[in-house]
Amino acid sequence: GAVVSQHPSWVICKSGTSVKIECRSLDFQATTMFWYRQFPKQSLMLMATSNEGSKATYEQGVEKDKFLINHASLTLSTLTVTSAHPEDSSFYICSVRSQGGLGTDTQYFGPGTRLTVL
Amino acid sequence: KQEVTQIPAALSVPEGENLVLNCSFTDSAIYNLQWFRQDPGKGLTSLLLIQSSQREQTSGRLNASLDKSSGRSTLYIAASQPGDSATYLCAVKEETSGSRLTFGEGTQLTVNP
Repeated sequence: GAVVSQHPSWVICKSGTSVKIECRSLDFQATTMFWYRQFPKQSLMLMATSNEGSKATYEQGVEKDKFLINHASLTLSTLTVTSAHPEDSSFYICSVRSQGGLGTDTQYFGPGTRLTVL
Repeated sequence: KQEVTQIPAALSVPEGENLVLNCSFTDSAIYNLQWFRQDPGKGLTSLLLIQSSQREQTSGRLNASLDKSSGRSTLYIAASQPGDSATYLCAVKEETSGSRLTFGEGTQLTVNP
């Protein structure tokens, strides 16, 4: 499967600051990446679909001006949490979409980034 | 709207026991179903993927079954080990949702030595 990295693995910031999280596909070119958020003891919720060279598609209820997504290359997507507040504290996970032979369509997940906003 | 439910939410078993994790989904028009493992504070590791046309998939001590018409899947773990302790998530990919995955809330498994 594909190798996906995220940086940083954890970050602590003050309320009101902005934080950028990187998601990299290390061994293949990904035109589509996904960003998920996971609160403690809860499942993953899709935030947005990141498409290389075009605007991201956000899920209902996710503020696009607060969660800025940039997918400028086939190996890198970034999520910027702007003016972060304590309620934004969560585990953010990205995935890359791999479409292989025989119609397979798989997502490979990164290790996640733990964001804590004080 | 697709909803995925996993039962039980938590499970604690002694080492060596065989166990079954359950996953149900409300809309049977799925493309595939996937089981993942998540260790605390970590990302997801894919365990098994079952296409909608398949009934089961096996990998080592793991066996996943799919009954699409009834909206159910089970993950069977044989001869459980302490290293199997983790949260197990199932996710479905719908036929009409592109690559979108809908996740259940997971079953937290603890295997006691």
